[in-house]
Amino acid sequence: QQQVKQSPQSLIVQKGGISIINCAYENTAFDYFPWYQQFPGKGPALLIAIRPDVSEKKEGRFTISFNKSAKQFSLHIMDSQPGDSATYFCAASGEGGTASKLTFGTGTRLQVTL
Amino acid sequence: DTEVTQTPKHLVMGMTNKKSLKCEQHMGHRAMYWYKQKAKKPPELMFVYSYEKLSINESVPSRFSPECPNSSLLNLHLHALQPEDSALYLCASSTIVGHQNTEAFFGQGTRLTVV
Repeated sequence: QQQVKQSPQSLIVQKGGISIINCAYENTAFDYFPWYQQFPGKGPALLIAIRPDVSEKKEGRFTISFNKSAKQFSLHIMDSQPGDSATYFCAASGEGGTASKLTFGTGTRLQVTL
Repeated sequence: DTEVTQTPKHLVMGMTNKKSLKCEQHMGHRAMYWYKQKAKKPPELMFVYSYEKLSINESVPSRFSPECPNSSLLNLHLHALQPEDSALYLCASSTIVGHQNTEAFFGQGTRLTVV
């Protein structure tokens, strides 16, 4: 019930291409969906987040698409750059207030080639 | 300042040692977290503190003991660890706004090796 499924496990994209990572969740109590970027040896850094009252959110080259009925959300990275090569985690949390427990997806290792 | 600072960055300890990990934030966040991350895996929640009180313990073994001395500091005391406890330990913090979840900011982590 708490699981967040993420795909693909790894992704290779050419410079300038579009990277797409997908996540699906089961728990309908989730109401907050962030994406994190993590470089080797570093902590996760928040990229962009969405709440279920909107279907899309864009920040620069990063866009989240959200489908509440299908319980799916995805990250699109436009004009992918070698510097985007990292591991990306989707996450979800619900029942906010005093305890914002994040449930993470399994991660996608993105490699952007020249 | 959106920084969560963790010290030390690296720690090697023996199975009989006692050590502590430290985390500090000055963003006024009243929720603080400890996560454990194994290689090529997502972070796993260990503990949550809300308003300096422990609100979630994800059935973590007692050899890990958290402490929140004040609203800016979070410690994780380690004792009698096992080699399988070797991992990246991440601290995070977030605001508490009514019943809405807010952005969690992570520190750079402490790379712990138990020998």
